[in-house]
Amino acid sequence: NAGVTQTPKFQVLKTGQSMTLQCAQDMNHNSMYWYRQDPGMGLRLIYYSASEGTTDKGEVPNGYNVSRLNKREFSLRLESAAPSQTSVYFCASSEVGGGHTEAFFGQGTRLTVV
Amino acid sequence: SQKIEQNSEALNIQEGKTATLTCNYTNYSPAYLQWYRQDPGRGPVFLLLIRENEKEKRKERLKVTFDTTLKQSLFHITASQPADSATYLCALPFSGGYNKLIFGAGTRLAVHP
Repeated sequence: NAGVTQTPKFQVLKTGQSMTLQCAQDMNHNSMYWYRQDPGMGLRLIYYSASEGTTDKGEVPNGYNVSRLNKREFSLRLESAAPSQTSVYFCASSEVGGGHTEAFFGQGTRLTVV
Repeated sequence: SQKIEQNSEALNIQEGKTATLTCNYTNYSPAYLQWYRQDPGRGPVFLLLIRENEKEKRKERLKVTFDTTLKQSLFHITASQPADSATYLCALPFSGGYNKLIFGAGTRLAVHP
């Protein structure tokens, strides 16, 4: 099983450009998440999707949009990139119920905005 | 608001010793707490979950304690090995939040031969 797959792995954008980060999971999980990780700040939740068809804001949603395309896929879009969005982005998924709550993470997308 | 604190200083220990990492939290009472391992350039990997009614949990060389009075979790690696060198993250569920997790900044562990 591939688990959680993110594309691309690396990206450089110019200020004002847009891009979409893709995420897909093959574990049939209901919940999916987007986090960003910055040095010394830990992982911060951008958006999450509790189930197919629903999305909600996390701690730091400004400047981002998301789409839960189907149960497998959850994309993150930067409409107009800013240098402050330079970060490592992680997608994660988890199952709710049955005592299983751990999150499974992708390998990350390292984004630099210049 | 909820806050998690982990020691930002790297922990350096000798191979074979026990590593102890600390996670402190404020402003709420979580139903459970999780620990993750993160290697450079990789995503976090789940290690252990401990629930509020459990004082201690073990998995192989790993042991986690959860003191809901002190609002603190300790993560121990016994007989540490250089391969245990990584950053260890503590995570708690958001208050009232589904399965969405709030993470500490992590503590980097370096085990020296």
